Amino acid sequence: EAQVTQNPRYLITVTGKKLTVTCSQNMNHEYMSWYRQDPGLGLRQIYYSMNVEVTDKGDVPEGYKVSRKEKRNFPLILESPSPNQTSLYFCASSPGQVRETQYFGPGTRLLVL
Amino acid sequence: SQQGEEDPQALSIQEGENATMNCSYKTSINNLQWYRQNSGRGLVHLILIRSNEREKHSGRLRVTLDTSKKSSSLLITASRAADTASYFCATDKGVDMRFGAGTRLTVKP
Repeated sequence: EAQVTQNPRYLITVTGKKLTVTCSQNMNHEYMSWYRQDPGLGLRQIYYSMNVEVTDKGDVPEGYKVSRKEKRNFPLILESPSPNQTSLYFCASSPGQVRETQYFGPGTRLLVL
Repeated sequence: SQQGEEDPQALSIQEGENATMNCSYKTSINNLQWYRQNSGRGLVHLILIRSNEREKHSGRLRVTLDTSKKSSSLLITASRAADTASYFCATDKGVDMRFGAGTRLTVKP
């Protein structure tokens, strides 16, 4: 089944404790992206990747890192999480270079205490 | 920064009625897409309209785009209780995509 998976789905952590949210897609898509969703603000793009080893900042990259060593995986890293990073995170992928249909993962709900 | 802004923020209708949601954006775009999100879940793509298109249909969905007014509308005809969800417009001008805050649609049976 074609899909985007994220792990974990739910995470409670404490300020400063490094964490990684994994994202994987099995559709051989070139483009992948991370978003955060906060009430009243819609989705805001954190980072995106056009292809392997090519990543770029979105609207709200501060406090986040990403890597794209393989086409299928695009992990989101929070080196030192803070409470303002409490949010619902979505990974998405789309084929090709043009921003066509994006396929979203199920989301990761993160709470930073 | 947010590009698209949906209007209204919330909409409540009876089953069988039509639902219209609007999206306005600020800068020129390549494409505009509409997505649907059931509570707390991932977004699902509904329809894409390119900047050189004015109208597009998909089943009970009708999307219009007016680039001179920088606005789009999504019409859902003969709504069903299962259409209850949040609807987002998303615009792109190349590599990044911008989403609005969404319209929360409630369809009462």
